Amino acid sequence: NAGVTQTPKFQVLKTGQSMTLQCAQDMNHNSMYWYRQDPGMGLRLIYYSASEGTTDKGEVPNGYNVSRLNKREFSLRLESAAPSQTSVYFCASSEAYETQYFGPGTRLLVL
Amino acid sequence: QKEVEQNSGPLSVPEGAIASLNCTYSDRGSQSFFWYRQYSGKSPELIMSIYSNGDKEDGRFTAQLNKASQYVSLLIRDSQPSDSATYLCAVPPDSNYQLIWGAGTKLIIKP
Repeated sequence: NAGVTQTPKFQVLKTGQSMTLQCAQDMNHNSMYWYRQDPGMGLRLIYYSASEGTTDKGEVPNGYNVSRLNKREFSLRLESAAPSQTSVYFCASSEAYETQYFGPGTRLLVL
Repeated sequence: QKEVEQNSGPLSVPEGAIASLNCTYSDRGSQSFFWYRQYSGKSPELIMSIYSNGDKEDGRFTAQLNKASQYVSLLIRDSQPSDSATYLCAVPPDSNYQLIWGAGTKLIIKP
């Protein structure tokens, strides 16, 4: 039982490049989330998926897109990376919104 | 704009003492409240949840909720160096699957 897994762990991009962050959970949770965390700031929700087939914008969706591929997988795509997107990205899942289980995070640096 | 406020710290507490962490929230309609712990370089993990006014105890941890004052706190008794981490307060503003996160309080337990 791996919980929530994320790939890659680290990534360096140049401005304008694109990439997809992958997330998978094996807890059969309905809801999945993508957050970013910047120094001195709390977790900010980028997008979430309350259930398979649905996605909704969070607090900071600009510059990102998501895909809920199936119940297990929820990916985050940066189409044209910008330095302001340098951050740590966490994926989380939950059965209800309360107890969210987090992946190990992806550290992204955009030059 | 619904908000969750925490003192960023760092809060320095001697080993064996009681650490007191505070959180205020703006949404009077919030019904549940969560404390997550995040070690440096790691992902957040849930340590306490509280739904009713008063105290809830779990081992060395006690969560206290005062809905009238819109205030929730976390007490850690007999603080240990392993308690050194950032503590995040999270509140669901309503039933739309989201959590609003405070920026976190960094706790340092001095041996």
